[in-house]
Amino acid sequence: GIQVEQSPPDLILQEGANSTLRCNFSDSVNNLQWFHQNPWGQLINLFYIPSGTKQNGRLSATTVATERYSLLYISSSQTTDSGVYFCAVLPLGGGNKLTFGTGTQLKVEL
Amino acid sequence: GAVVSQHPSRVICKSGTSVKIECRSLDFQATTMFWYRQFPKQSLMLMATSNEGSKATYEQGVEKDKFLINHASLTLSTLTVTSAHPEDSSFYICSATSSVTDTQYFGPGTRLTVL
Repeated sequence: GIQVEQSPPDLILQEGANSTLRCNFSDSVNNLQWFHQNPWGQLINLFYIPSGTKQNGRLSATTVATERYSLLYISSSQTTDSGVYFCAVLPLGGGNKLTFGTGTQLKVEL
Repeated sequence: GAVVSQHPSRVICKSGTSVKIECRSLDFQATTMFWYRQFPKQSLMLMATSNEGSKATYEQGVEKDKFLINHASLTLSTLTVTSAHPEDSSFYICSATSSVTDTQYFGPGTRLTVL
């Protein structure tokens, strides 16, 4: 099946810093989503981004489907950004089953 | 919009008992619901897919007789962990999609601890 790798696995930032999280996938996809899992376990949809670039406040995401990767940018990070960030993909021809990436654990410190 | 709830949020049970977890789509009709399991410090792993009115489809390695899934209506799916054992302790998360979009919306999760 499709492999979805995220980097870095762990990241510690000072409040106010910017960061880029990467998601690489091994095969063509119909859809890609970015999620933030907060410390209580709730998954929050950040972006639905099979291709192109989207922005929402301090967050933006870019997916280059032809090169099989997606990037999540976090600017001016805040302590509330802490948690785990997952990308998840719908493989081409894989129906509606999402495959989750390995995740990036982010901690933002004062 | 697109809110999914789960109940209970946390459950502790004795080994050998059964536990039922409910997943509800509150403001849309969920034609498909998914059940995931997440162990500490790990990613989400899909357990099964359920479509309203039909039998669930289980992923390889998931025991269908142990994890009973019922999707009786367009807003409710249930997962029953039968004869639970300590190794079933995990975070169980459901998600739902509608016929309009393939975006999945996730519930807040249920933390199961089996003593």
